[in-house]
Amino acid sequence: NAGVTQTPKFQVLKTGQSMTLQCAQDMNHEYMSWYRQDPGMGLRLIHYSVGAGITDQGEVPNGYNVSRSTTEDFPLRLLSAAPSQTSVYFCASRKDSLYGYTFGSGTRLTVV
Amino acid sequence: AQTVTQSQPEMSVQEAETVTLSCTYDTSENNYYLFWYKQPPSRQMILVIRQEAYKQQNATENRFSVNFQKAAKSFSLKISDSQLGDTAMYFCAFVVYNQGGKLIFGQGTELSVKP
Repeated sequence: NAGVTQTPKFQVLKTGQSMTLQCAQDMNHEYMSWYRQDPGMGLRLIHYSVGAGITDQGEVPNGYNVSRSTTEDFPLRLLSAAPSQTSVYFCASRKDSLYGYTFGSGTRLTVV
Repeated sequence: AQTVTQSQPEMSVQEAETVTLSCTYDTSENNYYLFWYKQPPSRQMILVIRQEAYKQQNATENRFSVNFQKAAKSFSLKISDSQLGDTAMYFCAFVVYNQGGKLIFGQGTELSVKP
């Protein structure tokens, strides 16, 4: 049981490049979310999903796309990287509202 | 808008002493869940404790307990017998019952436990 797996752990991009952060969970959780963590701002919700085929925007969705074609996978796409997207990104999943999220180990992204 | 506020950016405590981290939140909903997460230097997010809003009894997990004041929208975390391994960033978070994907976090409190 691997939990929530995020890849890559570190990434450096040039401004304007695109990339996909991968997230997979093997716990059959319905809910999955992407957060970004910046100093002094806690974790801010980018996008979330309540099940396969269903996604919605969080607090800071601009510049990011998501899709949820299967229960297991929830990739986050950066369309055209900007320095403001330099951050640590966390993917998380959970069974339902009663349970806290299980988090991946995070991706540190630097855009230069 | 639903918000979570942690007013203490940094705190420190001596080993073996007790410390309380503050958290307030704002929501018009009545049914929700509250959480405290710990993030040590390893960056991993670890669930410390959770509280259902419909339960009056405060949750406890070993040395960790909460003081949940629903009317005041306050959810503080008490750590007893602090240990060096408790040094971490602590985040308060909540989610409304029918908004399962939207777990909202506070800004965090950086706790240092000193020997």
